[in-house]
Amino acid sequence: AQSVAQPEDQVNVAEGNPLTVKCTYSVSGNPYLFWYVQYPNRGLQFLLKYITGDNLVKGSYGFEAEFNKSQTSFHLKKPSALVSDSALYFCAVRDSLDSWGKFQFGAGTQVVVTP
Amino acid sequence: NAGVTQTPKFRVLKTGQSMTLLCAQDMNHEYMYWYRQDPGMGLRLIHYSVGEGTTAKGEVPDGYNVSRLKKQNFLLGLESAAPSQTSVYFCASSYRRAGVADTQYFGPGTRLTVL
Repeated sequence: AQSVAQPEDQVNVAEGNPLTVKCTYSVSGNPYLFWYVQYPNRGLQFLLKYITGDNLVKGSYGFEAEFNKSQTSFHLKKPSALVSDSALYFCAVRDSLDSWGKFQFGAGTQVVVTP
Repeated sequence: NAGVTQTPKFRVLKTGQSMTLLCAQDMNHEYMYWYRQDPGMGLRLIHYSVGEGTTAKGEVPDGYNVSRLKKQNFLLGLESAAPSQTSVYFCASSYRRAGVADTQYFGPGTRLTVL
């Protein structure tokens, strides 16, 4: 079985400061990990993913994430947050042993960036 | 290239009424998914499909049915709507890479209210 945890319901950060959104996962096989962002009244947009290879993954809008196998984490980071980064962020995982292609999403973390 | 589209965008039903939500994708994706999004619960998988004519139950399938008669379309039906089905419904599709489902692309959502 696969599961994802986003331990923070909300993250508050001042514009220009570093932003981190946490995600931990549990899978039976190897994880395929994704981050999505959702703006109000919109669908989810893909930010970045880890399938294999380098542990540091770079994605859209200056975001990056680091895969840490020993800590089963995939935290999303941005060196300098913008007010426009305020949105709902979802981490998702897919287990390599799941041949049916199911994804498990976290509950989401609301990011609020203040000017 | 429209990506993933959903029809309708909004709908209000009375308890016991039925309706069908339509999802269409023009990316030739193999996998399609229906999720519901409720506050504080993230996205929960209702049903999904790994190809034309093949569907499977997700995490919360009760009260819903699906069909995928054409590769590009995935229909979600509510046979007898209940207030507990008030939610925002998202459709997603993903392509197959190296034999597994890769990045998901989401539609804009359907906001359903059941009175």
